Amino acid sequence: SQQGEEDPQALSIQEGENATMNCSYKTSINNLQWYRQNSGRGLVHLILIRSNEREKHSGRLRVTLDTSKKSSSLLITASRAADTASYFCATKGAGSYQLTFGKGTKLSVIP
Amino acid sequence: DTGVSQNPRHKITKRGQNVTFRCDPISEHNRLYWYRQTLGQGPEFLTYFQNEAQLEKSRLLSDRFSAERPKGSFSTLEIQRTEQGDSAMYLCASSLAFVGNEKLFFGSGTQLSVL
Repeated sequence: SQQGEEDPQALSIQEGENATMNCSYKTSINNLQWYRQNSGRGLVHLILIRSNEREKHSGRLRVTLDTSKKSSSLLITASRAADTASYFCATKGAGSYQLTFGKGTKLSVIP
Repeated sequence: DTGVSQNPRHKITKRGQNVTFRCDPISEHNRLYWYRQTLGQGPEFLTYFQNEAQLEKSRLLSDRFSAERPKGSFSTLEIQRTEQGDSAMYLCASSLAFVGNEKLFFGSGTQLSVL
């Protein structure tokens, strides 16, 4: 079963614009991660934020986490056509080995 | 860095046949995971190995599915008596177990089509 739910399901923007994706989850977590998947390929880890952190940056990526609302957001600034992909949030609960993924947001960046 | 390798990339089989997939993790990684992904969905956890020990298995995993990781290196996932509902992308991931490291490295997957 999938714990995370990304919103929106699909997002289409022009190159250079910012893209924001949201993720909500249901149970308490140890950490939350974002992954990217190009069509027909495996997933690539982007960024991890721990439950005691509120914001994290990596290059053009900014992730926020609100554990009281059980939600996270991923912001991609100055988007490029190469950012076109599906983006998934994944949560890991305490005492569990598995990452539980959401259904993903499909991002299209139009050149 | 050779990354996580999965073979075959594509597998087409007839309903009722058995299939086996192989995953070669990154060489020093002692954690190995299998996930299944259907179109438009996120990956769904199947099972987890630490070294050669299978420590966690999804309740959704039917007894037609079995996974092994002999000697804690490569892993195989076998599906017996395949059904059309087994059609999916099967993803393998690996990681190195140390405190604070939760990041998974995924292979490109094996796309299974059951006719």
